[in-house]
Amino acid sequence: QVQLVQSGAEVKKPGASVKLSCKASGYTFSTYYIHWVRQAPGQGLEWMGIIYPSGGSTSYAQKFKGRVSITTDTSTSTVHMELSSLRSEDTAVYYCARGDGGNTIDYWGQGTLVTVSS
Amino acid sequence: DIQMTQSPSSLSASVGDRVTITCRPSQSISNSVNWYQQKPGKAPKLLIYAASSFRSGVPSRFSGSGSGTDFALTISSLQPEDFATYYCQQGYSTPYTFGQGTKLEIK
Repeated sequence: QVQLVQSGAEVKKPGASVKLSCKASGYTFSTYYIHWVRQAPGQGLEWMGIIYPSGGSTSYAQKFKGRVSITTDTSTSTVHMELSSLRSEDTAVYYCARGDGGNTIDYWGQGTLVTVSS
Repeated sequence: DIQMTQSPSSLSASVGDRVTITCRPSQSISNSVNWYQQKPGKAPKLLIYAASSFRSGVPSRFSGSGSGTDFALTISSLQPEDFATYYCQQGYSTPYTFGQGTKLEIK
């Protein structure tokens, strides 16, 4: 069965970077997109970016350009998302999710809580 | 970026009620809308894709409709497990933006 298992919770200081991982299993990793979506406490869903593992092409929301980098390691079926220059507003649960046909998210990871606090 | 205006932001209803949530994109997007359900502390779940296609395993009381700039999710007869937050998302162009969500509460 399709599974996306994300790395554990992180606590970071303002200005630091965080790198999250998302390990996929149960399907052909290279042929499905992976999205990153975040959710601040009590807030809605915010789309951050996407990667196609075969070839590594990416697209990022303008809001995060210059601060976010999504990469893939096809040898371990893992996607990484790094967010730099963290501020308190980046405190959120970060989800990785599989894109079926690119734009439909059909499976989600369990989420990783990132807390940014001095 | 395409903005997704979802309404209402919250809704109180009773078991057995029929409810409709609407989503209006800021430009025409063909049928590129997906609907998700999220329960507290959990990841969202896909209900409907491409405006009106059912995801396997989703109860038939959920249905989607619309195209262009006007979309809707309808729950025909609310069940206790349906009280959750619902989000629309456009899949027409990146960034694949979400609506602000509709919290469905028990009356």
